[in-house]
Amino acid sequence: DGGITQSPKYLFRKEGQNVTLSCEQNLNHDAMYWYRQDPGQGLRLIYYSQIVNDFQKGDIAEGYSVSREKKESFPLTVTSAQKNPTAFYLCASSLGQQETQYFGPGTRLLVL
Amino acid sequence: KQEVTQIPAALSVPEGENLVLNCSFTDSAIYNLQWFRQDPGKGLTSLLLIQSSQREQTSGRLNASLDKSSGRSTLYIAASQPGDSATYLCAVRRLTGGGNKLTFGTGTQLKVEL
Repeated sequence: DGGITQSPKYLFRKEGQNVTLSCEQNLNHDAMYWYRQDPGQGLRLIYYSQIVNDFQKGDIAEGYSVSREKKESFPLTVTSAQKNPTAFYLCASSLGQQETQYFGPGTRLLVL
Repeated sequence: KQEVTQIPAALSVPEGENLVLNCSFTDSAIYNLQWFRQDPGKGLTSLLLIQSSQREQTSGRLNASLDKSSGRSTLYIAASQPGDSATYLCAVRRLTGGGNKLTFGTGTQLKVEL
């Protein structure tokens, strides 16, 4: 069953805590992306990776970090430096740079 | 900087009605434009993708048009059904020397009532 999975579905963060959101794909896609979605706003790009062991900052990378050690995995860490982390986080992947992006089901992050 | 606007922000129609959703963008130098559907609390599902050289794309009851020179796209939904209720997002893609970057609109929330 091919697709993109994100876990957990809901995540709670305490003040000063780093949390990591998981994104896995078995579509053999080279490129992967992380977006943040806030109410009343469009999706905004946090980080993207075109190939293993390489990634670039998107429009709102401050307070976030990523790694791309394996082709199928692109975890996102929300660090304590991100002062307003409450949002819906969406991961996507595409076969190449010009291809359609396919999205995972999302992770909702809430701050305690 | 590319900006994408969708009007209206919300729309409620009776079942069976034909409807049009609008998307406008400020920079016409786009590679393609994509329409997505998002159900509450879920990820995005791609509906239609129009290349910059195309004028329209059709899939079932959906038809998307693109007028690149005027910076506009429309999504036409024929014979709407309650199952069409969702938020519809448009996104433009511009290759900026690296990466497959999408700029999203804020969406139109559609409700189709019985």
